[in-house]
Order: sequence, then C-alpha cells, then structure tokens
Amino acid sequence: DTAVSQTPKYLVTQMGNDKSIKCEQNLGHDTMYWYKQDSKKFLKIMFSYNNKELIINETVPNRFSPKSPDKAHLNLHINSLELGDSAVYFCASSQDYRVANEKLFFGSGTQLSVL
Amino acid sequence: RKEVEQDPGPFNVPEGATVAFNCTYSNSASQSFFWYRQDCRKEPKLLMSVYSSGNEDGRFTAQLNRASQYISLLIRDSKLSDSATYLCVVLSSSNTGKLIFGQGTTLQVKP
Repeated sequence: DTAVSQTPKYLVTQMGNDKSIKCEQNLGHDTMYWYKQDSKKFLKIMFSYNNKELIINETVPNRFSPKSPDKAHLNLHINSLELGDSAVYFCASSQDYRVANEKLFFGSGTQLSVL
Repeated sequence: RKEVEQDPGPFNVPEGATVAFNCTYSNSASQSFFWYRQDCRKEPKLLMSVYSSGNEDGRFTAQLNRASQYISLLIRDSKLSDSATYLCVVLSSSNTGKLIFGQGTTLQVKP
C-alpha cells in the first residue's frame, strides 16, 4: 500500500564507497524528486524527473547521478562517498510538476551515514 | 538572505494554547505557498496550501501577505499531537516545480 517507497531505510558505509538508493511510487505520478535534508534540517531539492526526463538538476557534485528507468522509479547513485554526504535523503513524487499547488508525497527517507 | 526564513524555535506551549508561526520569503514572484508538517524522524506531509484570501482547516488557519512577503500559520486549541516541525514552503517561480523549504519551526505542546 506504500505510495512512495525507498530503500534502504538506513545506509552506513565507509568513505570512498559507491552506493545506491532506490525509489518507487505506485501513485501513477509523472514527476519524481530527490531531496536532501542535512543536520540543520534544511530540505533541499537535488533532482527531479518528469516521465523519465530530467527537469531539475541543482548544483550538486557530479558524484550524484539520478537514474529513472521509467516514470515510477527514480534511483540515486552516489560515487566516492564523502563525510559531508551524511544526511537523510527523501524521494518524493507529484502528479505533474507543471500543476500549481501540487501536493508532494514523500518516501520515509534514507538515513545515510558515511564513516 | 535565505529564500525562505523561519524562526526555528522551539515553541513550547501548553495544551489548549493558540500559537502562531511566521515565515518570510524573498522572491516576490512566488505564486504558491504551503505548510508541511514533519514529525521527528519522519517524512514531511502537506498540512495545507496557503491562498491569498487566507484559508482555514479546522484548528489551523493559514494567511498570506504578499505585500510584506510573509506567510503565517495559526494553530488554535493546541493538542499534544500537534508537536512537530512545521515547514514553510514556497514554489519557485522557475516553472520547474521546485519547492523551497524553510528550516522549519519546532512546536512542543506540553500537558
């Protein structure tokens, strides 16, 4: 029944490793997003895709690469992890980013800890 | 200057109190505004959209002042279950669907 599901919920890894976070939504939405919430609780957009097309690509290190195999999935791959990458990563979806007053549905988050 | 600014609090209030949060935004071209609620260690969830005429949903009232570029949220008759972080959110004028989140205001309702 989960609308937006992301895995894993917790990810603990060493600096320099490569890791992926997966996200899937079963709401039939066209737009999916990745947000990062840092230790100061700021939620910042990283990427968005609409029906597999990249829409938003904020200034994030190119070690972060999103992949959208279809409109129901948006995965996040991170190369050469650094201490500063430690944060909670939220996946989200909405019907269509072009609609005003769109409601975002968030996944439950992935707590990434880089040691 | 941050695009969306909120007082992080915490606001500690007794049950039954009325509490108000304000938020300011920097881009006068912004058109859509929201309040999201985030419980500790959980994902944000939409609480309510904010309309120019102001809107109410039960004990919650949201208002928008475009001239001063601020948004407010009023909670009446606070419940213990209202304890959470309230995020002020502004839709960017970039037409990309980019939402800009404030840092959030933490509310603790005490018995």
